[in-house]
Amino acid sequence: RKEVEQDPGPFNVPEGATVAFNCTYSNSASQSFFWYRQDCRKEPKLLMSVYSSGNEDGRFTAQLNRASQYISLLIRDSKLSDSATYLCVGGGSNYKLTFGKGTLLTVNP
Amino acid sequence: GAVVSQHPSRVICKSGTSVKIECRSLDFQATTMFWYRQFPKQSLMLMATSNEGSKATYEQGVEKDKFLINHASLTLSTLTVTSAHPEDSSFYICSASSPAVYEQYFGPGTRLTVT
Repeated sequence: RKEVEQDPGPFNVPEGATVAFNCTYSNSASQSFFWYRQDCRKEPKLLMSVYSSGNEDGRFTAQLNRASQYISLLIRDSKLSDSATYLCVGGGSNYKLTFGKGTLLTVNP
Repeated sequence: GAVVSQHPSRVICKSGTSVKIECRSLDFQATTMFWYRQFPKQSLMLMATSNEGSKATYEQGVEKDKFLINHASLTLSTLTVTSAHPEDSSFYICSASSPAVYEQYFGPGTRLTVT
């Protein structure tokens, strides 16, 4: 079983839609979690860190359920510029990150 | 956020030659740098972790004699792909971190094509 698993998509949604991404992780020792976005042929960029209590940043809400080893990202009122690949990432000791394969999102006009 | 640069951004080389990729942290001292490789439609795969002044730690399946990593200063790490072959063609990305910045910051990547 892969350490971080995501639904690869693709997700095609209209502008303004709400879309949710899910991710599961197998390493219960993982200490921190993140969502990154990666545009085509570019490096990943940190979107948000994920805290146990859940956190929100504008249209983006991330949640972590340690008991179920499950992480989610919700995007509300999606924009064309949200089109990208969203990477679920687990962080371990020594700042090591384990990346999921990513979920491709396309927001259509 | 912190700035990490990579050079070159794109390189084409002939099979059998060696290619050096530089990764620099521009505005912080990176005690740890990571090298990743990403094939098309695949996730980033960690190749090695390098700590300033010590030998790199390679992930399972990554040949340390083929992918030479040097982290000689707190702002520079280099990855040299030796005797490159077409199957080494990939997107190589570095990232840098330190206790001061906590998160990993990624360089813009280097696209290597071996012909």
